[in-house]
Amino acid sequence: DVKVTQSSRYLVKRTGEKVFLECVQDMDHENMFWYRQDPGLGLRLIYFSYDVKMKEKGDIPEGYSVSREKKERFSLILESASTNQTSMYLCASTIRGGWRTGELFFGEGSRLTVL
Amino acid sequence: GESVGLHLPTLSVQEGDNSIINCAYSNSASDYFIWYKQESGKGPQFIIDIRSNMDKRQGQRVTVLLNKTVKHLSLQIAATQPGDSAVYFCAETYSGNTPLVFGKGTRLSVIA
Repeated sequence: DVKVTQSSRYLVKRTGEKVFLECVQDMDHENMFWYRQDPGLGLRLIYFSYDVKMKEKGDIPEGYSVSREKKERFSLILESASTNQTSMYLCASTIRGGWRTGELFFGEGSRLTVL
Repeated sequence: GESVGLHLPTLSVQEGDNSIINCAYSNSASDYFIWYKQESGKGPQFIIDIRSNMDKRQGQRVTVLLNKTVKHLSLQIAATQPGDSAVYFCAETYSGNTPLVFGKGTRLSVIA
């Protein structure tokens, strides 16, 4: 079974702190994604990556950055956390072109609270 | 600033009844659509998909209907069970080469 693992299920941070959310997948997928999930807004794409060291902005990249130094790992970074970044963060991965067959595999999410 | 919607549409159905969850998609060029199910505390999981050259596709207890004229997608669940309680998302993409765009989600609550 494909496994997408997000390192932290729950985090509480203070405004201005730097936050790292880590995601690891074990199926050698080329594509990895970070989504943010808020009630009534659905899943919104923050950043995605087609390959190692490659990144593309999604719909809401402001306030975030990412790092993909290894194929299996995709990190989301909040340089200076703000309260409006309190949310559920979902990592996902798929083979190249995998969304043509719906094979987007998600982690269980990281719920971040910024105080 | 950005407006924030806090309300997640909810559909409540009696166990054993059929459920219909609707989705209006945004891009008339979208040619591939997927329904995902998200149970509490878990990430979304693939349920069923449909391509734009079809208007109906059936799976086990689920059927997806596509109306391209009005850009509408629906998910029908037959004989709804308590295990179907979850949030359901539709997603769309076009040309098979762009990330999925997700809808806002609908919460299905099954009453035993």
